[in-house]
Amino acid sequence: QKEVEQDPGPLSVPEGAIVSLNCTYSNSAFQYFMWYRQYSRKGPELLMYTYSSGNKEDGRFTAQVDKSSKYISLFIRDSQPSDSATYLCAMKRGGSEKLVFGKGTKLTVNP
Amino acid sequence: KAGVTQTPRYLIKTRGQQVTLSCSPISGHRSVSWYQQTPGQGLQFLFEYFSETQRNKGNFPGRFSGRQFSNSRSEMNVSTLELGDSALYLCASSTALGARGYGYTFGSGTRLTVV
Repeated sequence: QKEVEQDPGPLSVPEGAIVSLNCTYSNSAFQYFMWYRQYSRKGPELLMYTYSSGNKEDGRFTAQVDKSSKYISLFIRDSQPSDSATYLCAMKRGGSEKLVFGKGTKLTVNP
Repeated sequence: KAGVTQTPRYLIKTRGQQVTLSCSPISGHRSVSWYQQTPGQGLQFLFEYFSETQRNKGNFPGRFSGRQFSNSRSEMNVSTLELGDSALYLCASSTALGARGYGYTFGSGTRLTVV
């Protein structure tokens, strides 16, 4: 069983839709949870960072962490064509600088 | 503020050769990590350096090595290249130390093709 599982998609939605992206994980030691966005031929760019459980909102983006279920989510409201990219979840233990990534979900937002 | 700079951007090498990739972190960042990204395996952690010391290492063979200089710039080396080493190699820098960490800033990567 991989430490982090993420549905690779692809996911195609119309402009303005609400997008839900998810990851599950098996290592209960993970305490830090991140979402990255990666455009083609670019490095990953940090979108959201959450410590432990709870919700965090930043503009059109909301990140949720449910440690009891080992499940994290990213919601994108009012999706735009510019949101078309691959979204990667990442997480790490306390005291370690090693990030463990999901394989990424490719999202396309159609105008 | 300059971001993470990786050179070269693209590289083509022949099987059996060796290659050195370079990473300049954000000014003031002392931690540098390296990741390999492939379509099949996704992003996988190679190693992390802090103040010229390797603190963490991923599950890669000894052909993969790295180092960090006193100015925090880092290099990674892959010897005896194999076709399977073809990948995007990403460098990330962070000022975080242990517990209260936050996300890393990634460079645009070096695309290595082994033929």
